[in-house]
Amino acid sequence: GAVVSQHPSRVICKSGTSVKIECRSLDFQATTMFWYRQFPKQSLMLMATSNEGSKATYEQGVEKDKFLINHASLTLSTLTVTSAHPEDSSFYICSASWGGDTDTQYFGPGTRLTVL
Amino acid sequence: SQKIEQNSEALNIQEGKTATLTCNYTNYSPAYLQWYRQDPGRGPVFLLLIRENEKEKRKERLKVTFDTTLKQSLFHITASQPADSATYLCALDDSGGGADGLTFGKGTHLIIQP
Repeated sequence: GAVVSQHPSRVICKSGTSVKIECRSLDFQATTMFWYRQFPKQSLMLMATSNEGSKATYEQGVEKDKFLINHASLTLSTLTVTSAHPEDSSFYICSASWGGDTDTQYFGPGTRLTVL
Repeated sequence: SQKIEQNSEALNIQEGKTATLTCNYTNYSPAYLQWYRQDPGRGPVFLLLIRENEKEKRKERLKVTFDTTLKQSLFHITASQPADSATYLCALDDSGGGADGLTFGKGTHLIIQP
């Protein structure tokens, strides 16, 4: 149980284009979804927290107009990287939590974004 | 400033021995501490969670300890196997409960040699 999927697993795009990444919880309802970014040999860095039906909360230094998050339902959140540039190339990982009194998060397999 | 440090970037252990990984933190008062496993190119997989009022947690060959005085957690894998080779991440939540984003250490790359 507690499976989270991401699509696509890899994407290569040209500079200036927008890319949408989907995150789905397959067998549970996720009250909260999180988006992380991981650069090579670095730790995962939290970008934003989203709750279904409300605006995402972004971490300091993360541009909300560049990284658009939509949490349309209890099983789906999307991250859109707008006007992508080479420095946005990274590994983007989502996670989902069903709430309760712990923070156990279930992670998706990640999306490798390469911006040319 | 808040910091999470994991003992080393890489750790080589002979198969069958116990691997011990360290996670130290400063300027946090975590309600929980969690350990994850991450394989190359994949998302982290949850392993164990230990609460601030727990000293030790076990799951099969895994054992985690949590010392809030030392601000340290130790993660042990007993009877290690080559399949245990991966990067292990510790993660903290400082929110005192409820769903919140986690802060991760950089991870320790564990290599179990046959």
